Formats: sequence, C-alpha cells, structure tokens
Amino acid sequence: NAGVTQTPKFQVLKTGQSMTLQCAQDMNHEYMSWYRQDPGMGLRLIHYSVGAGITDQGEVPNGYNVSRSTTEDFPLRLLSAAPSQTSVYFCASSYSGQYSSYEQYFGPGTRLTVT
Amino acid sequence: KNQVEQSPQSLIILEGKNCTLQCNYTVSPFSNLRWYKQDTGRGPVSLTIMTFSENTKSNGRYTATLDADTKQSSLHITASQLSDSASYICVVSALGYGNKLVFGAGTILRVKS
Repeated sequence: NAGVTQTPKFQVLKTGQSMTLQCAQDMNHEYMSWYRQDPGMGLRLIHYSVGAGITDQGEVPNGYNVSRSTTEDFPLRLLSAAPSQTSVYFCASSYSGQYSSYEQYFGPGTRLTVT
Repeated sequence: KNQVEQSPQSLIILEGKNCTLQCNYTVSPFSNLRWYKQDTGRGPVSLTIMTFSENTKSNGRYTATLDADTKQSSLHITASQLSDSASYICVVSALGYGNKLVFGAGTILRVKS
C-alpha cells in the first residue's frame, strides 16, 4: 500500500492564482481531512469528509474548497491564493471520524509559498 | 476554549539519555489523547492513542502516560537515539465537538552524539 499520497511536494504561486492540491489514499478509509501547519502553531483543520459525496468545514475553511467524488481522492482547491495561505498542507485519512480511536495516517505534505 | 499546551518548546539531549515531554490540555469532554512523531519534512506518524481508561501505553522506547483527572500527559523516551530527533505532537480529541482534533504546537527534540 502507498498509504496517503500528496502532490505536488512543493509549489510557488503568485497572489491571485488558483491551484489544486491532490490527495489520495489506497486504504479504503472513509474519513479524510486537510490540515495546514504554520510555524509555532498546531495543525489546524481546513476541511474534512466522512465519505464520498460528503464534506464539511473545519476550523479555517476560508479561501479553500474541497470535493469528494470517490473514496480514494480528496483534492483541496485554493480559489485565489493569498500570502496568508503560505503554509505546509497535510492530508490525512482514517477508518472513521476523529473522535474514534482509529489511527489517522498523514501524507508527506505540500509546502506552498504564495508571493 | 479547547487548548493543548506542550512543554518544553525544544529540548537537546545526548544520545543514550532519557527525556520526558509534557502535555497539558483543557479539551472537554475528553475522548482520546494521541502522541505523534513528525520528522523534518514529513507528515506526523502516530506513536500512541490513549482513551480515558488507559493511563500508560508503550510503543518500544516510547511510553505515554495520561492523568485524565489533572488533564496531563507525558511522553517518556528511553535510551534516546539520533533517529529520535523530531517534533513530538500531542493531540486531544473531544467528544461531540464537530469531529475536531486539537493539536499542540509540538516539542522539538534534538538528540546529539
């Protein structure tokens, strides 16, 4: 199993550009989520999905869109990039929701810089 | 406000020594507490998950403790190795709080030879 994969690993955008961060998992996990990690702060939840066709907002959803058309894929779209979105983005998946004891598996991350 | 505070922010120890990392939380109602290891440039990897009824859990040289009464947890690393150099993140899950995990900012551990 490849686990959770993310592409690209690095990306530089200009302010106002849009892009999609890709995330895929091959463990047949129901639950997938996107986080951002900023220096000196804990990971913060952007959006999550409890299954194909179902998505919901997390703690910091503004400026981001998601969709979940298949169990395997959960792309994150930046609509109009801003310097405040410079961060490292992690995708994660698990068998069930976050308040269960199921382990969350994280991808390797995408380091995004917006100039 | 649900929060997770970790201490120290960073720590340097010599190879072979033991160390203990601390985690205090105010998350309520409590569901479970997790410790993750995050190597530089990689995603977090789970070390332990503890529920309310568990007060100690080990994973090799890593031992986590939980005191749900005082809302404190610790991660003890025994006989440290250079490969233990990483950020260690404490994460607390709240029941009925919109499926939210509350992440600490992490403790950066550096093991020197």
